[in-house]
Amino acid sequence: NAGVTQTPKFQVLKTGQSMTLQCAQDMNHEYMSWYRQDPGMGLRLIHYSVGAGITDQGEVPNGYNVSRSTTEDFPLRLLSAAPSQTSVYFCASTRLAGSYNEQFFGPGTRLTVL
Amino acid sequence: AQSVTQLGSHVSVSEGALVLLRCNYSSSVPPYLFWYVQYPNQGLQLLLKYTTGATLVKGINGFEAEFKKSETSFHLTKPSAHMSDAAEYFCAVRERAGNMLTFGGGTRLMVKP
Repeated sequence: NAGVTQTPKFQVLKTGQSMTLQCAQDMNHEYMSWYRQDPGMGLRLIHYSVGAGITDQGEVPNGYNVSRSTTEDFPLRLLSAAPSQTSVYFCASTRLAGSYNEQFFGPGTRLTVL
Repeated sequence: AQSVTQLGSHVSVSEGALVLLRCNYSSSVPPYLFWYVQYPNQGLQLLLKYTTGATLVKGINGFEAEFKKSETSFHLTKPSAHMSDAAEYFCAVRERAGNMLTFGGGTRLMVKP
């Protein structure tokens, strides 16, 4: 199993550009989520999904869109990048069934918006 | 909403010394509690978790944490620090109904030779 994969690892954008951060998992997990990591603030939830066709907002959703057309993939879209979106982005996944299941994290995408 | 406080954004210890990283949460109902470790330029790896039962939980790499309901705390300890323990550590909580994790701000552990 590859686990949770993210592409690209690094990206530099200019203000106003758009891009999609890719996330995929091969563990058949129902729940997938996107976090951003900023110094001193830990990880903050952007969007999450409990299954194909179902998405919802987290703590900091503004400026980001998501979709979940398959169980495996959960892309994060920045429609018009802003310098405030400079951050490290992590995707995570977990099973829904069971009292608790560990969330598995991808390696991250480091995004810089100039 | 849940909140998680990690006291000390940076902690420095000598190799062989006790490691103590503090975590307090705000919840009247005990949530699920976790510690994650992040090595430089990597993703997060689960160190240990408390879900129910024994309040002292052991994790990987010699770390352990104790859930204290009366203090709403879940502090992480290791008796003897190793150079390889240098990393950033995150405490996180999850309400028992739901899947959303709330993270603390993180503590960067530095280990001096």
